[in-house]
Amino acid sequence: GDSVTQMEGPVTLSEEAFLTINCTYTATGYPSLFWYVQYPGEGLQLLLKATKADDKGSNKGFEATYRKETTSFHLEKGSVQVSDSAVYFCALSSGAGSYQLTFGKGTKLSVIP
Amino acid sequence: DTAVSQTPKYLVTQMGNDKSIKCEQNLGHDTMYWYKQDSKKFLKIMFSYNNKELIINETVPNRFSPKSPDKAHLNLHINSLELGDSAVYFCASSHGGVSNQPQHFGDGTRLSIL
Repeated sequence: GDSVTQMEGPVTLSEEAFLTINCTYTATGYPSLFWYVQYPGEGLQLLLKATKADDKGSNKGFEATYRKETTSFHLEKGSVQVSDSAVYFCALSSGAGSYQLTFGKGTKLSVIP
Repeated sequence: DTAVSQTPKYLVTQMGNDKSIKCEQNLGHDTMYWYKQDSKKFLKIMFSYNNKELIINETVPNRFSPKSPDKAHLNLHINSLELGDSAVYFCASSHGGVSNQPQHFGDGTRLSIL
């Protein structure tokens, strides 16, 4: 079955540091890949997505590239801010007719001033 | 103009009670979902409905019963609540059946069983 593995947290960074959150996946067919963010007390919001190999998704300074050869979709940001503190989820949806997202376990990011 | 709204936001009740959570979306989506998020933030699909038809029914106790009166609503009824049901329950919606369409989530219902 489908699965998503993302790096264990929590991750604590100083403001303006570089962020990488690793995500690798196992899926049948050609999945679409997503990063969602959950701010404290809120629901999940789509951060970015990529739907085919070599696509780069980007939003709010975050980016991730769909790497089929390494089955990875790592999230990066060049300079984090305190407001980026949240839980980040990598997820996949595999193929047409798919009605669910498979999530990684989430990585909690704390950015300190 | 909330896209996916669920009520109540907080639900505190005693073991053995029956409770319902309501969800509505105004995005015109045809597929709705219920997810359970445990204390470690792990998200797991419970149910998925497409055009009011049950598509996904994961290994969830039959005390949990979803009901979709129309495409814009998906409610979750829980009978005989147990301590292990304490979690945050998220409703979501999307254009279903197409893998590149993202899901839109509500803000969650935090259920606490005393």
